[in-house]
Amino acid sequence: QVQLVQSGTELKKPGSSVKVSCKASGGTFSRLPISWIRQTSGQDLEWMGGIIPILHLVNYAESFQGRVTISADESTNTTYMELTSLRSEDTAVYYCATNSGTEYGADDFWGQGTLVTVS
Amino acid sequence: IQLTQTPSFQSSSIGDRVTITCRASQGINSYLAWYQQKPGKAPKLLISDASTLQSGVPSRFSGSGSGTEFTLTINSLQPEDFATYYCQQLTSHPLTFGGGTKVEIK
Repeated sequence: QVQLVQSGTELKKPGSSVKVSCKASGGTFSRLPISWIRQTSGQDLEWMGGIIPILHLVNYAESFQGRVTISADESTNTTYMELTSLRSEDTAVYYCATNSGTEYGADDFWGQGTLVTVS
Repeated sequence: IQLTQTPSFQSSSIGDRVTITCRASQGINSYLAWYQQKPGKAPKLLISDASTLQSGVPSRFSGSGSGTEFTLTINSLQPEDFATYYCQQLTSHPLTFGGGTKVEIK
């Protein structure tokens, strides 16, 4: 059973950056396909990208390309999502999520979510 | 790939049968998942591969479909089923979600 614990609420100014962490336990971290997904107040869910550490593979959604960086630290079983050039539309709850398989999606393990407010 | 969920809002009573449709803008075989989300909580995976019920999910939930049209059915709606439901396609990046269907008490 994988558990994901995310960092806390963030309040950021427009134009700044935010870095959210997601610490995994209970699974083989390097093999986990970890996605980052955000949910705006309108309730839309948006897949931002993901990482599979053992493959040194990182994928990004085109709509975030250039503004988002996803990384992993295998020594601490932690993944990070950094979003730059923040604007008010980036105000959302950011989730990390994973599954027991080898590919992104159909995630049965989720972090608790991190609220990022840009104002 | 765009996913269109209908309806976006469903008002139903306890014991009702609820059907939610998810249409994909192109064929995705059976690479579709369904989630349930309650306020303030992360989504919960209900169904993968269009029809595979996850462990611990009540059997009143079922999924069907392939290609471009998919259905989530809830038989005999229970009080704990009032929530928002989302579909997600896994065929190609970026993974995308439907707009959601909120199931509320009539």
